[in-house]
Amino acid sequence: EAQVTQNPRYLITVTGKKLTVTCSQNMNHEYMSWYRQDPGLGLRQIYYSMNVEVTDKGDVPEGYKVSRKEKRNFPLILESPSPNQTSLYFCASSLRGTQDGYTFGSGTRLTVV
Amino acid sequence: LAKTTQPISMDSYEGQEVNITCSHNNIATNDYITWYQQFPSQGPRFIIQGYKTKVTNEVASLFIPADRKSSTLSLPRVSLSDTAVYYCLVGGGYNKLIFGAGTRLAVHP
Repeated sequence: EAQVTQNPRYLITVTGKKLTVTCSQNMNHEYMSWYRQDPGLGLRQIYYSMNVEVTDKGDVPEGYKVSRKEKRNFPLILESPSPNQTSLYFCASSLRGTQDGYTFGSGTRLTVV
Repeated sequence: LAKTTQPISMDSYEGQEVNITCSHNNIATNDYITWYQQFPSQGPRFIIQGYKTKVTNEVASLFIPADRKSSTLSLPRVSLSDTAVYYCLVGGGYNKLIFGAGTRLAVHP
């Protein structure tokens, strides 16, 4: 089944403890992105990647890192999480970008205490 | 970047047709119009995309007038499971989806 898989689905962590949210797609998509969704602020893009080793900042990149060493994986790294990064995170992928439509993962609900 | 305007919420009943209109006055020549559906705590799901005139797939139709300054998503014979938030997206380039507040559709028995 074609899908975007994120792990974990839920995570509670403490301030400053490094964490990684994994994202993997099995559709050989070129484009991948990370979004966060917050009440009243909607969905905002954190980082995106157009291909292996090609990444760039979205609208809210502060406090996040990403890497794209393989086409299928696009992990989101929080080096020193803070409470304002408590959010619902989505990974998405697409073959040709917005003209194709994006497939989203099921989400990761992160709580930083 | 094109900005979209859509109703904040809509109510309907099972079996009715629902039309959600989106305004995008500043749409660029190369922009497509895309609609996504989102259920609570789930990722958005691509519904339909079009450039001009009418597009239809197994779940919805998209009507786009000649000036492309608006578009209408049509959901035929809605059911309770169509209760969700619907987003109209325009612009953003290949790399970014620009989500607005969306339209919260409630389908009642």
